[in-house]
Amino acid sequence: DSGVTQTPKHLITATGQRVTLRCSPRSGDLSVYWYQQSLDQGLQFLIQYYNGEERAKGNILERFSAQQFPDLHSELNLSSLELGDSALYFCASSPLASSTDTQYFGPGTRLTVL
Amino acid sequence: DQQVKQNSPSLSVQEGRISILNCDYTNSMFDYFLWYKKYPAEGPTFLISISSIKDKNEDGRFTVFLNKSAKHLSLHIVPSQPGDSAVYFCAASYGNQFYFGTGTSLTVIP
Repeated sequence: DSGVTQTPKHLITATGQRVTLRCSPRSGDLSVYWYQQSLDQGLQFLIQYYNGEERAKGNILERFSAQQFPDLHSELNLSSLELGDSALYFCASSPLASSTDTQYFGPGTRLTVL
Repeated sequence: DQQVKQNSPSLSVQEGRISILNCDYTNSMFDYFLWYKKYPAEGPTFLISISSIKDKNEDGRFTVFLNKSAKHLSLHIVPSQPGDSAVYFCAASYGNQFYFGTGTSLTVIP
């Protein structure tokens, strides 16, 4: 158990809808990262938050947004969903903001868009 | 574009032998490299890392080798154990950008 929790575990929704994925980092970790893993793809870095502020942005679509709250949990919002957004979404946390920090991953949320 | 590539989707090795997992990258800006291990229904778990200023890092049965001129990274597991059966991802980073390969599924046969 990494100490990172993600809810829900599974989510099934329809095209055009909006969903919110939630992540609670390990106790004491200030950074949260979001990744998308599509079928037969590697993990794709979406975005990093550090202590409530956006720290780095990867290949995140404009339809996607994230935020980190004062209690350090984070939410990833996906809107106007398309079939291609079906994927496993991972959240990770690390103590600080350095790219050399070990990232601790949650178990993921599997999103299915029908 | 895939900046980190793992060209072998799967690998089978006998217990006790060496497992060698390979990874190639294209971006010379990468300054930190990592290997993660993933079991089904779990998130990736950090295994070992190496800075671009080194060419080898060892941790118990796991050794990572970095060949910067060839832009090649490898993970050696010696001796391989059945519990090592998992998907292994290599990853690279620079400037808070993180890139992962597509993974290699390792099966260690008892």
